[in-house]
Amino acid sequence: DGGITQSPKYLFRKEGQNVTLSCEQNLNHDAMYWYRQDPGQGLRLIYYSQIVNDFQKGDIAEGYSVSREKKESFPLTVTSAQKNPTAFYLCASSIGASGKAGELFFGEGSRLTVL
Amino acid sequence: GENVEQHPSTLSVQEGDSAVIKCTYSDSASNYFPWYKQELGKGPQLIIDIRSNVGEKKDQRIAVTLNKTAKHFSLHITETQPEDSAVYFCAATHLYNQGGKLIFGQGTELSVKP
Repeated sequence: DGGITQSPKYLFRKEGQNVTLSCEQNLNHDAMYWYRQDPGQGLRLIYYSQIVNDFQKGDIAEGYSVSREKKESFPLTVTSAQKNPTAFYLCASSIGASGKAGELFFGEGSRLTVL
Repeated sequence: GENVEQHPSTLSVQEGDSAVIKCTYSDSASNYFPWYKQELGKGPQLIIDIRSNVGEKKDQRIAVTLNKTAKHFSLHITETQPEDSAVYFCAATHLYNQGGKLIFGQGTELSVKP
């Protein structure tokens, strides 16, 4: 079954700790994205990557970091510098690279709670 | 950059009635407008999209209309069913100039009462 797998589904973190959210896709897509979802604010783009070993900041990148060492993997690290990290995080992928957008395929999300 | 506004934030209808969700966008260069449906505890899923070279697109009970002059587009769901209850997001982008970045609206929580 092709798709996007995010883990963990739920994560609790103490203040001051970094945490890494995993995102793996077996759709052979070039582009991958991380969105943050907060009630009443829609989906806001954190980082995106159009190709391996390259990524760009989205609208709310501060306090987050990513890597794209493999085509199928795009992990997101929420650092202690992120002031309000409690949120629902969604990873997505699309076929397009080189600016060609299209349908986004989303994972089922990871809910991070900072205690 | 692009900004997308979506209304209403919540919508409650009786089963069998129609539901309409509206979005406006700010960047006249945007040319791709998808709609996503998010069920509880799941990631959003594309349900219909429209490109700027057409004014309307239909797929069974759902349709999307686009008014490029006014920079707004709408989702229409007819004969609503309880399984249509979900959060719906509109989005906008320029397919070739924005690197695949979709800008989403704030979402509409649709509740269909049996």
